[in-house]
Amino acid sequence: GENVEQHPSTLSVQEGDSAVIKCTYSDSASNYFPWYKQELGKRPQLIIDIRSNVGEKKDQRIAVTLNKTAKHFSLHITETQPEDSAVYFCAASPYTGNQFYFGTGTSLTVIP
Amino acid sequence: DAGVIQSPRHEVTEMGQEVTLRCKPISGHNSLFWYRQTMMRGLELLIYFNNNVPIDDSGMPEDRFSAKMPNASFSTLKIQPSEPRDSAVYFCASSLFQQGADTQYFGPGTRLTVL
Repeated sequence: GENVEQHPSTLSVQEGDSAVIKCTYSDSASNYFPWYKQELGKRPQLIIDIRSNVGEKKDQRIAVTLNKTAKHFSLHITETQPEDSAVYFCAASPYTGNQFYFGTGTSLTVIP
Repeated sequence: DAGVIQSPRHEVTEMGQEVTLRCKPISGHNSLFWYRQTMMRGLELLIYFNNNVPIDDSGMPEDRFSAKMPNASFSTLKIQPSEPRDSAVYFCASSLFQQGADTQYFGPGTRLTVL
């Protein structure tokens, strides 16, 4: 089955700096890659997603890039704010099904 | 629109007791997922249904866990008998599966504590 690895596990940045979280996947047939944000005590919520026919997607301060050849995708957050502090999860979904294989999460802390 | 609804939000029980967690997916969604989240193991998929049919239950820890989806608007996850190591947050999520995977919307979760 699919194996998703996520790095780093923790990340601290100064407010206003950029944050980058990277994930790799093993199944070349995976074609859907969502990113979720989970604040403390809350549910995971989708912040951005990308499909395998697209190399990059941007939504305001958040962007995701996908390299299908290398089988990795990354989340980029620019101009970070304290409210960006949370745990971020990447996931990959295979072409043949709709289950998600989640990474282990990155705890992002934005220091004011 | 109402999101995914889970009940109870918190459950404290004693080892050996039966626990039933409930989920109502978003209306119109045809896929439902049960996850367990712990600090040690992260977010684990336990089982998922498409059109009320269990598709993959390979994540169910052992026979003490069972899940049902009797209709499109209701699912249960049952643990019998419960053990302290079952303590975790259990999330239900739903999505619309058509020609491929799509966004999963998570419920607020049930925090289970087994004493």
